Amino acid sequence: SAVISQKPSRDICQRGTSLTIQCQVDSQVTMMFWYRQQPGQSLTLIATANQGSEATYESGFVIDKFPISRPNLTFSTLTVSNMSPEDSSIYLCSVVGSGRRRGGELFFGEGSRLTVL
Amino acid sequence: LAKTTQPISMDSYEGQEVNITCSHNNIATNDYITWYQQFPSQGPRFIIQGYKTKVKNEVASLFIPADRKSSTLSLPRVSLSDTAVYYCLVGVGTFGNEKLTFGTGTRLTIIP
Repeated sequence: SAVISQKPSRDICQRGTSLTIQCQVDSQVTMMFWYRQQPGQSLTLIATANQGSEATYESGFVIDKFPISRPNLTFSTLTVSNMSPEDSSIYLCSVVGSGRRRGGELFFGEGSRLTVL
Repeated sequence: LAKTTQPISMDSYEGQEVNITCSHNNIATNDYITWYQQFPSQGPRFIIQGYKTKVKNEVASLFIPADRKSSTLSLPRVSLSDTAVYYCLVGVGTFGNEKLTFGTGTRLTIIP
């Protein structure tokens, strides 16, 4: 299993500002993901955070808007830049646990709920 | 990536068995089928995973027909605490370049 801590758990932000979300895992993991979950919606993958290289972004998400760092195998940050009310969402950090399950198992943090005014 | 289709919502009474079916017509040979449960204000958590036939654990059963183009999550004797959104995912999350993509999920509401 993997225990994931996210900070902040929630925040209220002003339009035009940026906020960095931190994700700390209690073990070294190869694959880390950032998801966005808009109110009442499913999870949408933003990007895969790669250790030692640039993140891989999904269609519709760009590095200038969502810069990601992955300095080591247990930590990553996601920045939501130049925020607008449309960025109000829950942002979730996720990792693939190593070991038991051949098809993989995703572990999630509790999420960071951002409200942009 | 194999796309999944699930009912948007379901209601059931306490004590009933609930079956949620997921369609994944384009499932690949290496893909596993995994179900997650999400409560409000929490991240999704793993329920069960299978490749073919039937899998059972302490909370659910997963039925997968021979063609693997669908799967059914079965929750026995549901209670109010089973009210959640249930996601079916298809892929391989351990190795390679496969990404686990969430579909719409099924919002299950248990009625007292």
